[in-house]
Amino acid sequence: NAGVTQTPKFRVLKTGQSMTLLCAQDMNHEYMYWYRQDPGMGLRLIHYSVGEGTTAKGEVPDGYNVSRLKKQNFLLGLESAAPSQTSVYFCASRLTSGGSTGELFFGEGSRLTVL
Amino acid sequence: AQSVTQLDSQVPVFEEAPVELRCNYSSSVSVYLFWYVQYPNQGLQLLLKYLSGSTLVESINGFEAEFNKSQTSFHLRKPSVHISDTAEYFCAVPAPSTGGSYIPTFGRGTSLIVHP
Repeated sequence: NAGVTQTPKFRVLKTGQSMTLLCAQDMNHEYMYWYRQDPGMGLRLIHYSVGEGTTAKGEVPDGYNVSRLKKQNFLLGLESAAPSQTSVYFCASRLTSGGSTGELFFGEGSRLTVL
Repeated sequence: AQSVTQLDSQVPVFEEAPVELRCNYSSSVSVYLFWYVQYPNQGLQLLLKYLSGSTLVESINGFEAEFNKSQTSFHLRKPSVHISDTAEYFCAVPAPSTGGSYIPTFGRGTSLIVHP
């Protein structure tokens, strides 16, 4: 059982380039999230989705876009990368049946460096 | 606004010593509380959670946390740590969003460093 899979795991970009991070989950979870992790800042929510075809902004959405065309996939896009977007990105998912009590399942992270 | 506060960014401790990692939450949020652990170069995984009932909850690897409503705290403790407990620990709460759903919100994390 793969759980939550993120690709790529590492990427180096130049300022202004674009890229897409893919998150795939095989647990039939409704909710999916993208977080970024920076030293001393914990995890900050970028965007999230409560179901196929729906997305919403989190705490730090500027400079990112997302899409949830299929229930199992949640894509995070950077249209014009900036050095401030150098970070480790984590995708997570959870069932809705647990309501706000539901456990999050995380991918292993994608380390992005913008030069 | 931050809904959960972890008071220590780093906690160094010697092996076999007890440890406490502190977490305080905002009383306005739904009182479901979580601790996640992140081992080096890995994603986060659930360590334990409080939903209701007994205020003391335990994990399978010897950690425990106690929900204290009057002090709005959910501190994590272990009576005797191992080298393998070296990791980043995150306290989390589900905070209500404007859309009506709950968003898992994390503290800034506490780095537990266990020395031999």
